[in-house]
Amino acid sequence: RKEVEQDPGPFNVPEGATVAFNCTYSNSASQSFFWYRQDCRKEPKLLMSVYSSGNEDGRFTAQLNRASQYISLLIRDSKLSDSATYLCVAGRGGGSYIPTFGRGTSLIVHP
Amino acid sequence: DTGVSQNPRHKITKRGQNVTFRCDPISEHNRLYWYRQTLGQGPEFLTYFQNEAQLEKSRLLSDRFSAERPKGSFSTLEIQRTEQGDSAMYLCASSSGTGGTGELFFGEGSRLTVL
Repeated sequence: RKEVEQDPGPFNVPEGATVAFNCTYSNSASQSFFWYRQDCRKEPKLLMSVYSSGNEDGRFTAQLNRASQYISLLIRDSKLSDSATYLCVAGRGGGSYIPTFGRGTSLIVHP
Repeated sequence: DTGVSQNPRHKITKRGQNVTFRCDPISEHNRLYWYRQTLGQGPEFLTYFQNEAQLEKSRLLSDRFSAERPKGSFSTLEIQRTEQGDSAMYLCASSSGTGGTGELFFGEGSRLTVL
């Protein structure tokens, strides 16, 4: 079993739609969580951190459920420019901080 | 440009040859990571450095892989006796902070093709 699991999709949605991605992590020692965005043939870039209290950044909302060990990302009012792969990341802290990536979820927003 | 820089961007080699990739991190960042990414997969952790110390290398894919970060600045990833299965994108990332959860800043990657 992979340490961070994501549905690879693709999720095909029309502009303006709301779409949600989930991600599960297996290591209960994970302490930090992120969503990264990766455009085709580009490097990953941080989209947002994920906090236990949940956090929102414009059209994007991230949630963490430690009891169930899952992380979610909600995108409201999808734009064509949101088309990308969204990578879920869980990291263990302490002396050796290793961020572990999921395989990514592909989102395609069409007109 | 003060971002993470990787060289070469593309490398085509024949099976059995050695290759070396270089990563120049953001100058004030003390952590440097190497990941490998294949098509349809997320970045797979290989190794990382805190300053010049290599803190985790057990995930390097085989003993053909080695990494260095002399003087805690740039880093190199070497693959000896390359195999076709080594074909992938090799990503370097840097971050600041100790024991924390700093954001990773990635370079554009070095794409390896082994013929």
